[in-house]
Amino acid sequence: NAGVTQTPKFRVLKTGQSMTLLCAQDMNHEYMYWYRQDPGMGLRLIHYSVGEGTTAKGEVPDGYNVSRLKKQNFLLGLESAAPSQTSVYFCASSYIGYEPQHFGDGTRLSIL
Amino acid sequence: RKEVEQDPGPFNVPEGATVAFNCTYSNSASQSFFWYRQDCRKEPKLLMSVYSSGNEDGRFTAQLNRASQYISLLIRDSKLSDSATYLCVVNYRDDKIIFGKGTRLHILP
Repeated sequence: NAGVTQTPKFRVLKTGQSMTLLCAQDMNHEYMYWYRQDPGMGLRLIHYSVGEGTTAKGEVPDGYNVSRLKKQNFLLGLESAAPSQTSVYFCASSYIGYEPQHFGDGTRLSIL
Repeated sequence: RKEVEQDPGPFNVPEGATVAFNCTYSNSASQSFFWYRQDCRKEPKLLMSVYSSGNEDGRFTAQLNRASQYISLLIRDSKLSDSATYLCVVNYRDDKIIFGKGTRLHILP
């Protein structure tokens, strides 16, 4: 049972490049989330989804887009990467919003 | 008042001691509460849910005080492996989940 899987684990981009982070869960969870974690800032919610085909903005959505075409996958896109987006990105999922979240092991992204 | 507030620490505690930390929250409509543990450069992992009646899991005890709007975590007989950052999480809508910034705990040999 893989749980929540994030790919890639590490990536280095140049300013202006685009990329997509993939999150896959095999627990049949309805809710999925993307967070970023920066030193001293804690976890901040970027976007989330309450079911297949739905997305919503979190606390820090600017510069990111998401899609949830399949229930098990939640994609996070950076259209034009900026150095301020250097961070560790975590994906998480839960059955419903009031239930505990299960996290992937993170993607470390550096924008030069 | 911040939505969820934790003492960042670090708490430096000798092995075998008991340590407790609190987390305060501002929204009285909050519905569910959790403690997570995060090791350095790792993902957060659920430690335990927190219920109004209090709950215990081995050396760990969590309490919820709705009147004063805080949750607490007590660790007894602390182990070196308990060294980590402890995050409190508060939900007051099913799509409004707030993570505290965490409390760092160092268990000293």
